[in-house]
Amino acid sequence: QVQLQQWGAGLLKPSETLSLSCTIYGGSFSGYHWTWIRQPPGKGLEWIGEISHTASTDYNPSLKSRVTISLDTSKNQFSLKLSSVTAADTAIYFCARVGRFGDTDPWGQGTLVTVSS
Amino acid sequence: DIQMTQSPSSLSAFVGDGVTITCRASQNIGNYLNWYLQKPGKAPKLLIYAASSLRSGVPSRFSGSKSGTDFTLTISSLQPEDFATYYCQQSSSPRAFGQGTKVEIK
Repeated sequence: QVQLQQWGAGLLKPSETLSLSCTIYGGSFSGYHWTWIRQPPGKGLEWIGEISHTASTDYNPSLKSRVTISLDTSKNQFSLKLSSVTAADTAIYFCARVGRFGDTDPWGQGTLVTVSS
Repeated sequence: DIQMTQSPSSLSAFVGDGVTITCRASQNIGNYLNWYLQKPGKAPKLLIYAASSLRSGVPSRFSGSKSGTDFTLTISSLQPEDFATYYCQQSSSPRAFGQGTKVEIK
């Protein structure tokens, strides 16, 4: 059974770069896309973007200028970088696997990232 | 971009009630619609994919249907563990979630 474990810095200052990673256990990249989704406290879900097993990417147009998603197949990891963060980027960030119908399952445990001066 | 309008934003129901949640897409998305359940402090869990396919392990009281660009999640008989927030997600690009429906105990 595939499990995802994510980690990264939880407290950033405005203008810094958010950096999170997600390790895949019990499976491989092959045949799937891998995604990052975020959820501001008390609010709904926002799709950030995703990467295929061949490293092609697709990003939310509202974040595209600041987002980079990459993968490291040797470590079974994929990563998110979001530059020039502001308080509006404060959220729980989730990594997840994307199936053939865009179905997102399973999910990582989530990482709360707070942006504050 | 395709917009998803989810309704209602919240509802109250008794254990044993049947409930329906709807998502309307702003344009044709075929069957690229998924449903999730989220409990406080937890990651969302997939319930239904491709509009009407039940994820393995999900109870059969959950079902999904489609009529044109309208998609429906039905819970036939609410159980205590079903009180949560539900999200639809259209999975064409860019992917997007509905606003969520909070199901509370009456």
